[in-house]
Amino acid sequence: DAGVIQSPRHEVTEMGQEVTLRCKPISGHDYLFWYRQTMMRGLELLIYFNNNVPIDDSGMPEDRFSAKMPNASFSTLKIQPSEPRDSAVYFCASSGRVAGSETQYFGPGTRLLVL
Amino acid sequence: KNQVEQSPQSLIILEGKNCTLQCNYTVSPFSNLRWYKQDTGRGPVSLTIMTFSENTKSNGRYTATLDADTKQSSLHITASQLSDSASYICVVRPQTGANNLFFGTGTRLTVIP
Repeated sequence: DAGVIQSPRHEVTEMGQEVTLRCKPISGHDYLFWYRQTMMRGLELLIYFNNNVPIDDSGMPEDRFSAKMPNASFSTLKIQPSEPRDSAVYFCASSGRVAGSETQYFGPGTRLLVL
Repeated sequence: KNQVEQSPQSLIILEGKNCTLQCNYTVSPFSNLRWYKQDTGRGPVSLTIMTFSENTKSNGRYTATLDADTKQSSLHITASQLSDSASYICVVRPQTGANNLFFGTGTRLTVIP
């Protein structure tokens, strides 16, 4: 298996522009997670899905952020409009059924820079 | 206040030396505690996982310990190698809301020749 796939790997954009990050989870995994990582705050869970349904989006910072999972093999995280403080590395992770010890497998991340 | 605190923030050691990274947490009750290794430019990869009833878990040169009474965990790296240079992140999974993990901010380890 190729693991969790994310695109793009790097994104540089101007403030106010729309940004769309993409993720393909590991085939067969029921859970998909979106995280943001910064030097100051470390890894933060933004939202996670179970069987394509959003379960907890309490970590989404504000209405500018939205996430979708139209099918089991694809998810997007969208920021509109983007702001410089959104600059961070965004990780997507997936895991199998939750059994307390299920490992989350992380993608390589998308490094976002908003100018 | 972060519920998972790691120390030190960064560490530089000579190749071949041992080192110990610390993790203190307040998450309670918890289901398990995991150490992740994150190489520069990559996503985190799980190294060890311990439930609240386990005291130690090894993965090659990595040994994690857990003291559930004092809510402390440590990751010991033996005979360090240059490839150990990475960030090491302590992650605690609570018993409730099992997918809402609590992440430490990590320790940045640099191994120099």
